[in-house]
Amino acid sequence: KAGVTQTPRYLIKTRGQQVTLSCSPISGHRSVSWYQQTPGQGLQFLFEYFSETQRNKGNFPGRFSGRQFSNSRSEMNVSTLELGDSALYLCASSLGDRFVTEAFFGQGTRLTVV
Amino acid sequence: AQRVTQPEKLLSVFKGAPVELKCNYSYSGSPELFWYVQYSRQRLQLLLRHISRESIKGFTADLNKGETSFHLKKPFAQEEDSAMYYCALVGGSEKLVFGKGTKLTVNP
Repeated sequence: KAGVTQTPRYLIKTRGQQVTLSCSPISGHRSVSWYQQTPGQGLQFLFEYFSETQRNKGNFPGRFSGRQFSNSRSEMNVSTLELGDSALYLCASSLGDRFVTEAFFGQGTRLTVV
Repeated sequence: AQRVTQPEKLLSVFKGAPVELKCNYSYSGSPELFWYVQYSRQRLQLLLRHISRESIKGFTADLNKGETSFHLKKPFAQEEDSAMYYCALVGGSEKLVFGKGTKLTVNP
């Protein structure tokens, strides 16, 4: 079966702009989580969506937002981009069942803010 | 609050030597713990989880609730084990929290 797909793979944006990243989970998976990966901070949890509802949220400013659609696809939006937002953004999907929590990761979107 | 600490950013061993990647966690309840691995230019993927108690690629990890640790061990490291290793925890919700990772290099 197809894995987690993230688009686009690479993005270059200017400070102050906004950006939308997309994630298509594995078929049948209802949970989608987003992470920011940087060399200094590792993997930081942004938020998790389950059945179109935000179920968990990390400690990121309100400029970071997301949503999930009825087909479980998810988008993440960052407004008013800052240089420090440059990172690899990873999406992970899982069944969402509390006891089956293996997360499958996409290849990520590399965002560069200039 | 859920927290995962991996004290070593870098770990270097020789092929055939034992390797141990340390992971300590902070969580008041009974967590589910995982090790994820990211090989060069590959996706982050699950290596093992404490619930299944299985050995994957020769790696094992034991949950020590007294010491709140979940160290990853392998008796004889191989060059193909070189990768980034992340310890992760799920507490009372579906939120998967990662440590900052340890880069393992196995030298020939």
